[in-house]
Formats: sequence, structure tokens, C-alpha cells
Amino acid sequence: AQKITQTQPGMFVQEKEAVTLDCTYDTSDPSYGLFWYKQPSSGEMIFLIYQGSYDQQNATEGRYSLNFQKARKSANLVISASQLGDSAMYFCAMREGPFPGANSKLTFGKGITLSVRP
Amino acid sequence: DSGVTQTPKHLITATGQRVTLRCSPRSGDLSVYWYQQSLDQGLQFLIHYYNGEERAKGNILERFSAQQFPDLHSELNLSSLELGDSALYFCASSAGLAGLTGELFFGEGSRLTVL
Repeated sequence: AQKITQTQPGMFVQEKEAVTLDCTYDTSDPSYGLFWYKQPSSGEMIFLIYQGSYDQQNATEGRYSLNFQKARKSANLVISASQLGDSAMYFCAMREGPFPGANSKLTFGKGITLSVRP
Repeated sequence: DSGVTQTPKHLITATGQRVTLRCSPRSGDLSVYWYQQSLDQGLQFLIHYYNGEERAKGNILERFSAQQFPDLHSELNLSSLELGDSALYFCASSAGLAGLTGELFFGEGSRLTVL
């Protein structure tokens, strides 16, 4: 089974509106971390937000928030007030196990393309 | 700027050749990770080094090898190159310290084209 699943083929959103990017994950480890990265057309990978499996609150970073539903194993990214510069590929990723630990690599989903319309 | 430096940014070579990609992690980061990004496979983990020692291996081909040097920079060596090795190769680093989230800081990548 895939560890990280991102099934939305491509998303479009009107500027200034909110958009939700879906991510589901699969792990049997009780301790894990979930990450979202943004990859604009220039290619670099930009860290956006982190959620730990034991965190009680949903993570927020500026216009980004993570809708963490542990029982459903979902970690959806919500971008509020979309801007043209938000057009990019978005990747959900997971680290299994505690940090720091022996297994600190991130496993990435296939990504979702977001296009913001003016 | 993530603080992770990768060279070269672009590389064009022929099948059967060998190339070396270099990575300097953020100052103070002990962990270096290598990832391969291709259109069909997405972002694939290759290998992780921590303070000079190999910590984990992913889907790294036997034709590929890596090492982390005492000054913590890392090199990824790709040999007997095939057309399918054309990809964007990322290096990432992390501090590996307790109390942090374990986020990876990525370099800008080295785009390899094999002709």
C-alpha cells in the first residue's frame, strides 16, 4: 500500500478564495510526522507546515493550516486567501517513527498541481 | 534560500558516462538525504547519511553510490548512466536534533539529462 496518497489530479482556485489539498497516509507506527512542501515551477522544494502525530491542535502557519484527522489518517492542507504565487505543485510527506530516530527520511506523495486563477 | 548548496545545477551527459553530484548541507546539519525526482516516479528517497555514516537506503540502484565526508558535504556518484536516469536530484539536510520537527531543507536540485 502507498504510504502517502494524493489523488486530486489538479486543482484550480480563484484568487483570494480558500482551497483544500487532500492527503491520506498509511502507517502502523504510533509516532510519525506529516509535512507539506511546495514546489513552484522553478523547482525548489519549500517547507510549508508540520503536524506531529501526538499534536493535539491542528498546525497553522500563516495562510496555511493542516486539517489533521488522525482516525481517518488524513492530513489535508488548507490554503486561505489564495494568491497567484501559490500556483505550484504541493507534496504531502510523512516521517515514520519519532524524531530524531533511525528512520528520519520523508516519504512523499505524488503531488497535486494547484493553479490559482486571477 | 534554504542554505543547502548543490552543484552542478544542470548537467547533460551521454549514456554510459559517470557523473558526481555534490551537496553542502546547512551549517550545523549532520544529516544529508538524497532524493530523485522523475515525472513517472515522483520523489524517491535514495539514501541518508548522518555524520558520515550511512543510516538508510531507499531505492538506490547499484550503479549509484554516495558518501558523506568529514566536513559533512556529500557526493552522489551515478555511473553507467542510462536514459532513465534523467531526473532532478535533490539533496536535503536536517539538524537531527531532539525537539525539532525533522523537516528537511532542500537544495535547488541538480538536473541531470542523459542523452
